[in-house]
Amino acid sequence: DAKTTQPPSMDCAEGRAANLPCNHSTISGNEYVYWYRQIHSQGPQYIIHGLKNNETNEMASLIITEDRKSSTLILPHATLRDTAVYYCIVIRGEGTYKYIFGTGTRLKVLA
Amino acid sequence: GAVVSQHPSRVICKSGTSVKIECRSLDFQATTMFWYRQFPKQSLMLMATSNEGSKATYEQGVEKDKFLINHASLTLSTLTVTSAHPEDSSFYICSASDWQGAGNEQFFGPGTRLTVL
Repeated sequence: DAKTTQPPSMDCAEGRAANLPCNHSTISGNEYVYWYRQIHSQGPQYIIHGLKNNETNEMASLIITEDRKSSTLILPHATLRDTAVYYCIVIRGEGTYKYIFGTGTRLKVLA
Repeated sequence: GAVVSQHPSRVICKSGTSVKIECRSLDFQATTMFWYRQFPKQSLMLMATSNEGSKATYEQGVEKDKFLINHASLTLSTLTVTSAHPEDSSFYICSASDWQGAGNEQFFGPGTRLTVL
């Protein structure tokens, strides 16, 4: 399984973009990058995923480097409700595959 | 999106008793369900993987006789913590996957907080 490395914590001012990095230098060609977040005492919430192209949805953007060894999750206009732990997970693109959660990044959005 | 529910949301029990936690996929058929445990300020730890109609696969270090998992239908899995002790107090989270041959996104339940006195 490809492992991921994330900074343990980050602060971001409300209304500014939050850029959360993830290193996955051992990722394989058929493995996707998934991002989830967990707000205190809740189950993880899916944010976005990608293979090699950049992706955008209503919640966030995902930028994957050309060599796919790292990625960045971008929350374009962070709000206080975005305060959470953000997890980057690398998984195969086919089949039911177990997730291995790392320590994640604890994002605190400041008023 | 797909919805997964858990019941109860929180439970308090006495040491030595058994507790059952239900995980349901509300609007899809879950071929596979996963159970996680999370201690305060720690990440989610996978406990076991269960496929409908077959025995669960437990992660190393997880006692299968203590944490009984049943996945009797495509919409329901249960986790029973047998003879619970205070050290079993934790946040238990299930997830479900409706893998149909491509992609393997998991949908997570809201979690169950277990407190063993």
